[in-house]
Amino acid sequence: GAGVSQSPSNKVTEKGKDVELRCDPISGHTALYWYRQSLGQGLEFLIYFQGTGAADDSGLPNDRFFAVRPEGSVSTLKIQRTERGDSAVYLCASSLSRRGSTDTQYFGPGTRLTVL
Amino acid sequence: AQSVTQPDIHITVSEGASLELRCNYSYGATPYLFWYVQSPGQGLQLLLKYFSGDTLVQGIKGFEAEFKRSQSSFNLRKPSVHWSDAAEYFCAVSSYNTDKLIFGTGTRLQVFP
Repeated sequence: GAGVSQSPSNKVTEKGKDVELRCDPISGHTALYWYRQSLGQGLEFLIYFQGTGAADDSGLPNDRFFAVRPEGSVSTLKIQRTERGDSAVYLCASSLSRRGSTDTQYFGPGTRLTVL
Repeated sequence: AQSVTQPDIHITVSEGASLELRCNYSYGATPYLFWYVQSPGQGLQLLLKYFSGDTLVQGIKGFEAEFKRSQSSFNLRKPSVHWSDAAEYFCAVSSYNTDKLIFGTGTRLQVFP
């Protein structure tokens, strides 16, 4: 079917507000990843889901960031009390299966977050 | 620490010229290596990947890459560049015991007619 989709494509918010970013993975993909792409830090891993559970959240920068995937499909990345340094493009990727597999990660177009 | 280095931030070539983008990695385990391309406003698209076996891998759009364990390198090549190849290229590494991709900082390719 379709590729990975993300919404919104652009989000502008004010410092201190909460935001939610959505990712729809490719149908049937059990693994879902969030990455962040920013000028200063390049492409950084944030969190990985296998099914509904977060298998690796070691890349989340602090406790203002968290993500959920309640039904093992759509995922939401939530950023609370946004700061200007959170401005970046947030990329989602999905792959067929298990940890450490050779399955390709397919990326969505990203959500560009701007914190004023 | 695990890392990927792309020493060239920006490369400019003429259309029809050959291309080589460099990638060096530092990784404790046997690496899985990837090259992705990102066009303006687009997500990342996989060009090719290496896990094991033949060290010369062929990808899409006429790209190839060669894994050289002794040099910890995985350079991307194309014999004749097209204007549509202008984009940003990312090298990435993972392994059997991890889930995440570790990316290099990217190389921006500009193609002149």
